[in-house]
Amino acid sequence: TQLLEQSPQFLSIQEGENLTVYCNSSSVFSSLQWYRQEPGEGPVLLVTVVTGGEVKKLKRLTFQFGDARKDSSLHITAAQPGDTGLYLCAGAKTSYDKVIFGPGTSLSVIP
Amino acid sequence: ETGVTQTPRHLVMGMTNKKSLKCEQHLGHNAMYWYKQSAKKPLELMFVYNFKEQTENNSVPSRFSPECPNSSHLFLHLHTLQPEDSALYLCASSQGAGELFFGEGSRLTVL
Repeated sequence: TQLLEQSPQFLSIQEGENLTVYCNSSSVFSSLQWYRQEPGEGPVLLVTVVTGGEVKKLKRLTFQFGDARKDSSLHITAAQPGDTGLYLCAGAKTSYDKVIFGPGTSLSVIP
Repeated sequence: ETGVTQTPRHLVMGMTNKKSLKCEQHLGHNAMYWYKQSAKKPLELMFVYNFKEQTENNSVPSRFSPECPNSSHLFLHLHTLQPEDSALYLCASSQGAGELFFGEGSRLTVL
């Protein structure tokens, strides 16, 4: 059983479209991180959210942490081919726990 | 220099070979990690070191042997591996729990 579920598993969209990917759990997390991983590379940290209901923006990317700190979403506005990659959410239940990863959403943005 | 450096980037080895993966972090972090990433599977935590002490061994087979001589260097010694061990091996570091900084990975193929 996955502690962190991500949906959709795969997403293929045209350049310029908007999209949202989700990260869900039945457990409460003290913090959640989002990473992007390009083929053949390691994941790169995008953002950390720690407060229930928190919204963070990184250029065209908007991250939200659910009020109950069990879920998170990533919204991309006007997607570009450079956004292509595997989006991973990860979290720790407490600051002392190991970080667990979701299975990822593979995004392909077609020019 | 990048924050976390892994060598080699690609490695092909036979089942009877002995090889090592190397990781070096230049971020001054206290914790270092080995993760395994296989196709269609979430990132799997293998080992965690805090201040050079191993604090997590996630039921990893003994054919994988980690070594952490200091808080900046981490090795993964490999011997008598199986073809199913072929994967991307990722090293990461962190300052405490939560945000991980990954290297670019070592792509291992076991023949």
